[in-house]
Amino acid sequence: DTAVSQTPKYLVTQMGNDKSIKCEQNLGHDTMYWYKQDSKKFLKIMFSYNNKELIINETVPNRFSPKSPDKAHLNLHINSLELGDSAVYFCASNRRERGHNEQFFGPGTRLTVL
Amino acid sequence: LAKTTQPISMDSYEGQEVNITCSHNNIATNDYITWYQQFPSQGPRFIIQGYKTKVTNEVASLFIPADRKSSTLSLPRVSLSDTAVYYCLLNSYNNNDMRFGAGTRLTVKP
Repeated sequence: DTAVSQTPKYLVTQMGNDKSIKCEQNLGHDTMYWYKQDSKKFLKIMFSYNNKELIINETVPNRFSPKSPDKAHLNLHINSLELGDSAVYFCASNRRERGHNEQFFGPGTRLTVL
Repeated sequence: LAKTTQPISMDSYEGQEVNITCSHNNIATNDYITWYQQFPSQGPRFIIQGYKTKVTNEVASLFIPADRKSSTLSLPRVSLSDTAVYYCLLNSYNNNDMRFGAGTRLTVKP
């Protein structure tokens, strides 16, 4: 009954590799997000998708690309991984409502680039 | 989005009421104030959201003065399990863009 799920939970890989993190939500939400939390615990929004449209794209390197096959999924693809990409990546979702913003977060994926 | 400032850390004891204040001097008319809680190795979890005056739910209260330049999250009778990082955010009425600050690390001691 997990609301927002991510796979894998842990990902260890070498520099230069390409990897993907999957996210699925079963809440019927129309907007999904990706956040990055670095070693200093700062949580930064990377992307959000609403009805398959990218509506927020922070200054993220183009090595990162979100892919949304449908409203329930937002996967994160990372090409040519770098050491600085090591972090915990969180997926989140919500229903866009004016005046109420409750985002539901997944458990996170800890990415370690060696 | 306007910036928020909150204490880096706070300590408390079980059973006490904890108040965490967040400053947001440049809050915009359309901004709501939202608080999230994050436990180690977990994603943030929504606690409460408000626009003005006082909001209360089953876990916390949020006090917002008339000028809205600050807000206070109140946790009644904390327990050890309330040890977490608490984030104060502003988000615009019109969109879901959220900018997390550094948060306040609350440690509840026995």
